[in-house]
Amino acid sequence: RKEVEQDPGPFNVPEGATVAFNCTYSNSASQSFFWYRQDCRKEPKLLMSVYSSGNEDGRFTAQLNRASQYISLLIRDSKLSDSATYLCIQYSNYKLTFGKGTLLTVNP
Amino acid sequence: DAGVIQSPRHEVTEMGQEVTLRCKPISGHNSLFWYRQTMMRGLELLIYFNNNVPIDDSGMPEDRFSAKMPNASFSTLKIQPSEPRDSAVYFCASSSIYSGEPETQYFGPGTRLLVL
Repeated sequence: RKEVEQDPGPFNVPEGATVAFNCTYSNSASQSFFWYRQDCRKEPKLLMSVYSSGNEDGRFTAQLNRASQYISLLIRDSKLSDSATYLCIQYSNYKLTFGKGTLLTVNP
Repeated sequence: DAGVIQSPRHEVTEMGQEVTLRCKPISGHNSLFWYRQTMMRGLELLIYFNNNVPIDDSGMPEDRFSAKMPNASFSTLKIQPSEPRDSAVYFCASSSIYSGEPETQYFGPGTRLLVL
């Protein structure tokens, strides 16, 4: 089983839609989790940290379920500029382990 | 802040040639990471330095790969000899244990390597 697994998508949604991504992880000792965003041909950039049960930042909500070992990212009122690949990451002992990412395309 | 700087941004070379990728971390950051990204395998950690010392190189694919960090502001990743399967985007990232979020890594723009 891969350490971090994500649905690769692609997710195609219209502007204004709500979209949710899920991610499962295998290392129960993981200390924290992150969502990074990667635009086409660009580097990954931190979107949100998920330290406890969850985190909210504007239109973005991340939730962590340690019992079931999954993390989710909810995007409300999606914008064209939200089109990107969203990477789920677990952090343990200095090391980030990445999922392969979920591709989101928001259409006008 | 200039961010993490990588060079070259693109590299095209022939199989068997030596390739050297360069990275300048964010000033003040004491941890440096080299990653490789491919469609098939996603982002993989190759090697991690802390205070210029290699801590974990278990992700380095084989002896053809080597990495150095001679000082706090410079690191190299070398492939010799290069092979077509080394074609990928290589990212360098840095972080600081002295920041409020030591786990947060900042990525450079990457080097796109194509080995023919």
